[in-house]
Amino acid sequence: DTEVTQTPKHLVMGMTNKKSLKCEQHMGHRAMYWYKQKAKKPPELMFVYSYEKLSINESVPSRFSPECPNSSLLNLHLHALQPEDSALYLCASSHSGGGLGEQFFGPGTRLTVL
Amino acid sequence: GIQVEQSPPDLILQEGANSTLRCNFSDSVNNLQWFHQNPWGQLINLFYIPSGTKQNGRLSATTVATERYSLLYISSSQTTDSGVYFCATGGGADGLTFGKGTHLIIQP
Repeated sequence: DTEVTQTPKHLVMGMTNKKSLKCEQHMGHRAMYWYKQKAKKPPELMFVYSYEKLSINESVPSRFSPECPNSSLLNLHLHALQPEDSALYLCASSHSGGGLGEQFFGPGTRLTVL
Repeated sequence: GIQVEQSPPDLILQEGANSTLRCNFSDSVNNLQWFHQNPWGQLINLFYIPSGTKQNGRLSATTVATERYSLLYISSSQTTDSGVYFCATGGGADGLTFGKGTHLIIQP
């Protein structure tokens, strides 16, 4: 099984809302990733968790807050987002965070911020 | 960081045609992946190919690591092959670095 699941598939939120995106994998992978993809652009890395420890991407605004409750789950908490944060948010996992190994992506959450 | 360039950026073909997509990278790599992104946004793994040649049905890929490029071949194209094809490399704490993609349209 090479499946990464994400919920919800679509999310519409106002700028004052708090919401969370969820990602799950059961492949025993120890590295998990959040990417952001704007229309007609490639995915860009936001955060990496390796063995449940966070590697921070300093260019990500603090209104995005990742959480890794255990090795199978990854959350992205959203608060006070801006309309320009509207994008496709992709979760991925790989066997380890050591730089090798295939990454597998979930179907994404399409986020619209009003 | 590593730079990844893909060509061509856009490609329109008739059903049944063959195509070659190219990915150049600026430094040596330990991993290289090809993805197909469908119209719903799902990134589908095509190949994990740090070096050598692999085939899967109508698709095949070759990576020549010493010359810093990879090629994706699509034969006998079908309309369902339409979408964006990305190559990507890297991984670990830096995540994957993607090329800008090749937007492929297969016309019936």
